[in-house]
Amino acid sequence: DIVMTQSPDSLAVSLGERATIKCKSSQSVLYSSNNKNSLAWYQQKPGQPPKLLIYWASTREFGVPDRFSGSGSGTDFTLTISSLQAEDVAVYYCQQYYSTLYTFGQGTKLEIK
Amino acid sequence: EVQLLESGGGLVQPGGSLRLSCAASGFSFSDFAMSWVRQAPGKGLEWVSAISAGDANTYYADSVKGRFTISRDNSKSTLYLQMNTLRPDDTAVYYCAREGGYCSSSNCYRGYFDYWGQGTLVTVSS
Repeated sequence: DIVMTQSPDSLAVSLGERATIKCKSSQSVLYSSNNKNSLAWYQQKPGQPPKLLIYWASTREFGVPDRFSGSGSGTDFTLTISSLQAEDVAVYYCQQYYSTLYTFGQGTKLEIK
Repeated sequence: EVQLLESGGGLVQPGGSLRLSCAASGFSFSDFAMSWVRQAPGKGLEWVSAISAGDANTYYADSVKGRFTISRDNSKSTLYLQMNTLRPDDTAVYYCAREGGYCSSSNCYRGYFDYWGQGTLVTVSS
């Protein structure tokens, strides 16, 4: 199975500041056939199901604010929130879908400093 | 509007069985692969099982292989998860999720989850 490791486990950022979450996969998730990285990011708030933010490592889902961006390739990926808002407090997960045995990172809890 | 509504959760004793259902609406159910994802209390997300759009292919996490069976009824737009030989560590909220992606002329690329249900709680305890 592909192991996904996020860092840090928790993060406190001031309102308006940048938040950066890392995700590393145990093997490359880059499809050579379409040159896309099979990596998604989700946001989960308490008592709610996860919400898709980013797929193919950098494609923002419709309706997601443009302060959210994804980058990276191969095994190393980053989710960036350019200017943290109060409503961004949540747990964030990365997920690989290169292998059909899908796997998630352990989650990163984002709080306000 | 895409909607996924899970049902069938509840309290079951260790070794027991339960069948979850996920009723889909607002999209052409038969065109999409579907998955079950679970979340133990206070823990992270764990993918459980997936089924292709045409029902031909099924996939399972090692933790449930041989105990759980995923199926679908495209005529009823419903996804199922039959769970047997349940263990306390199967206690979780179970979500059904639609797989997003696209198909080229030669291949289909999918596997991110673009829509999720609200989940149904399964508690395995004596």
